[in-house]
Amino acid sequence: KQEVTQIPAALSVPEGENLVLNCSFTDSAIYNLQWFRQDPGKGLTSLLLIQSSQREQTSGRLNASLDKSSGRSTLYIAASQPGDSATYLCAVRRSNDYKLSFGAGTTVTVRA
Amino acid sequence: DTAVSQTPKYLVTQMGNDKSIKCEQNLGHDTMYWYKQDSKKFLKIMFSYNNKELIINETVPNRFSPKSPDKAHLNLHINSLELGDSAVYFCASSHRDRAWHEQFFGPGTRLTVL
Repeated sequence: KQEVTQIPAALSVPEGENLVLNCSFTDSAIYNLQWFRQDPGKGLTSLLLIQSSQREQTSGRLNASLDKSSGRSTLYIAASQPGDSATYLCAVRRSNDYKLSFGAGTTVTVRA
Repeated sequence: DTAVSQTPKYLVTQMGNDKSIKCEQNLGHDTMYWYKQDSKKFLKIMFSYNNKELIINETVPNRFSPKSPDKAHLNLHINSLELGDSAVYFCASSHRDRAWHEQFFGPGTRLTVL
């Protein structure tokens, strides 16, 4: 069974600071890893997807790294803005499996 | 708009009632999913259909029955609703041969059972 852990559970930073969100998973036989953003009362928005053969993916101020052997992924958000305040979820899909296993999320607050 | 849509957005009902939630995607995907997000915000897969065939059926009470009339639709019917069914239900979709099965989510349906 794939277990996904996200640390910290909550994070508060002043505007402009870089954010580092951690995700770890127990089964390294993954197909891909997806980072999502969830705003209060809203659905999930896909931010980045990293294939198991990739080490990182970048989109604008977001960069996600993957170390499959150690079961870790990190989401970096550069120069944080108040609009980045949300819950960030990490989800892992195992090889030959349609299921996404989610972490509990990291709730980020960026203070103006 | 290309998206995953769900109706209704909010559903408030009494215990014992039967209700349905509808999901539609116009992304041309071949796989659709239902997830449940409980009060602790933890997301868990319930069902998945690929080309109208059930491929994932987690340990969910048989009061929950998914139905996929075609590849673009996946509905969730819940019989004899219980207090513990209160949650947010998300529909999602992906394509087996595109973007490494990246999943796209609908806005969610908040179900409250009184």
